[in-house]
Amino acid sequence: SQTIHQWPATLVQPVGSPLSLECTVEGTSNPNLYWYRQAAGRGLQLLFYSVGIGQISSEVPQNLSASRPQDRQFILSSKKLLLSDSGFYLCAWSQGPNTEAFFGQGTRLTVV
Amino acid sequence: KQEVTQIPAALSVPEGENLVLNCSFTDSAIYNLQWFRQDPGKGLTSLLLIQSSQREQTSGRLNASLDKSSGRSTLYIAASQPGDSATYLCAVVYYGNNRLAFGKGNQVVVIP
Repeated sequence: SQTIHQWPATLVQPVGSPLSLECTVEGTSNPNLYWYRQAAGRGLQLLFYSVGIGQISSEVPQNLSASRPQDRQFILSSKKLLLSDSGFYLCAWSQGPNTEAFFGQGTRLTVV
Repeated sequence: KQEVTQIPAALSVPEGENLVLNCSFTDSAIYNLQWFRQDPGKGLTSLLLIQSSQREQTSGRLNASLDKSSGRSTLYIAASQPGDSATYLCAVVYYGNNRLAFGKGNQVVVIP
């Protein structure tokens, strides 16, 4: 069966520090991968998605970037965190737009 | 603009009552609609996926219907239990997009 792993579960980082969140999927190949952010009182916002290795689409201009170095690995990064980067980050995968999507357990990021 | 709306934002029901949650979307050109459950501080758990060609899906006490022409979906949870307390999110994949568009969710409390 397929599983998705996301870590760390919680993270407290100072303003200006770098960020690296990792997501890996097991049990499937060539998945579509997604990074979402959920801010308090707001809906889930799509940040990045990828349909293959090295292929990244950015949905919202911001202080973040994403990379997909391997088929089942998706990384969210920042060189210098802002207070506004605080939120709940969720990784997800699917086999395409007409298939079921599955989410990881999320990373709670607090920038102080 | 392709949006997804869930009203009300929060509701409480006595244990044993049936839960009815509504989701509306602005464009009938969709691949599918998916219902998720989110517990506090956790990731999203997929409950039901309804393809655009389907009218409903059922899983245990859960039943979801889809009416594309009116842009609506309803999630029914029969004989609610305190363990059903959570936030329920509706998401749609619109044609031409490779991402889920989310509503802001219905926060449900089932009172013992």
